[in-house]
Amino acid sequence: DAGITQSPRHKVTETGTPVTLRCHQTENHRYMYWYRQDPGHGLRLIHYSYGVKDTDKGEVSDGYSVSRSKTEDFLLTLESATSSQTSVYFCAIKGGREYTDTQYFGPGTRLTVL
Amino acid sequence: AQKVTQAQTEISVVEKEDVTLDCVYETRDTTYYLFWYKQPPSGELVFLIRRNSFDEQNEISGRYSWNFQKSTSSFNFTITASQVVDSAVYFCALSEATSGTYKYIFGTGTRLKVLA
Repeated sequence: DAGITQSPRHKVTETGTPVTLRCHQTENHRYMYWYRQDPGHGLRLIHYSYGVKDTDKGEVSDGYSVSRSKTEDFLLTLESATSSQTSVYFCAIKGGREYTDTQYFGPGTRLTVL
Repeated sequence: AQKVTQAQTEISVVEKEDVTLDCVYETRDTTYYLFWYKQPPSGELVFLIRRNSFDEQNEISGRYSWNFQKSTSSFNFTITASQVVDSAVYFCALSEATSGTYKYIFGTGTRLKVLA
């Protein structure tokens, strides 16, 4: 257990509304990541963070923004949700008790955009 | 550019059969890490194993074994005497250590169905 929680775990929203997903970790890890998982695509990186206020884009960052004002929290915002953003979102940290170069994942958030 | 290919989209086996999940990777780095994760029907992503590019020893953990071959850029995963509880989607992933960005690239996953 890497001490990662995600909230909410499930959300249904309407097209055009803003949505914020939260990832919280309790072990002071520097690197945090947001992925989306879609059938046939595996896990694709949206954004990642390498420290407080330090973030960078992944391969599918369009339509998403992130913020990290505290080490423990990494927020993913959909400014204006679209149906194509219906997905399962996973947060991850790099590092754990056993391997510092390994990613460990939160439980995921299922987002449905109607 | 880094890439991970899991060509097997779905595999079905009967309980107690052995099954191998294939993973082929591409990287220009000489230092990198390879990983396998399991995603059971409940949806969480569970870390199974990590291997660095300098360690080509195969690893066995109970019914699970991993075969890392740099010559063929493969990191295959074998489950011996499969069980219904092994039914899951399995992901292979790659991370390049020298880039300094600590990004991870995942394959598209292989869905394993173990039938009783």
